[in-house]
Amino acid sequence: DAKTTQPNSMESNEEEPVHLPCNHSTISGTDYIHWYRQLPSQGPEYVIHGLTSNVNNRMASLAIAEDRKSSTLILHRATLRDAAVYYCIWDSWGKLQFGAGTQVVVTP
Amino acid sequence: GAVVSQHPSWVICKSGTSVKIECRSLDFQATTMFWYRQFPKQSLMLMATSNEGSKATYEQGVEKDKFLINHASLTLSTLTVTSAHPEDSSFYICSAQGDSSEAFFGQGTRLTVV
Repeated sequence: DAKTTQPNSMESNEEEPVHLPCNHSTISGTDYIHWYRQLPSQGPEYVIHGLTSNVNNRMASLAIAEDRKSSTLILHRATLRDAAVYYCIWDSWGKLQFGAGTQVVVTP
Repeated sequence: GAVVSQHPSWVICKSGTSVKIECRSLDFQATTMFWYRQFPKQSLMLMATSNEGSKATYEQGVEKDKFLINHASLTLSTLTVTSAHPEDSSFYICSAQGDSSEAFFGQGTRLTVV
């Protein structure tokens, strides 16, 4: 199994940054790290992915540790619409195996 | 971003009947599609991998005769839940992957078997 470890939940105030950690100590050298998020009763939504270097897009930033055994998703300014379950996944032969994810709660 | 459409969004069926769920990639060709199932308060569980023109590969513990998958074209995969029972009630989600490593998910189908 493509196992990752994430905290069950994290809480943030609106407009503040959120740092979501993920451990993926068994990842291989060529597997990408993906982040998706899921709102209730919806399919997962792509957030960001990376291999070795840190990545930025309009939604978030992804900081990948030098040994690639962990990564951190950074939401720079949380909004109420960012409240969701965030999944950290590493790509094993194209298959995305979801872990339990982190429930992000954003407080006004 | 790319769009993946699932149909229907929700369905209620009687126990013992079969239900077909469609997954379409609307603006790209999906060489591979994946089917997931999600029970309430749980994470997504991968059921099977579907490649166009070949038989699907099922994950351990998933009955291939109960969950029939057909990937007839590069834009369409179908999942048929045969002889559905109440324990098959779940949220079924597909994803499609093209040339890039990014997977795009459908909006999901809520199946309720009564």
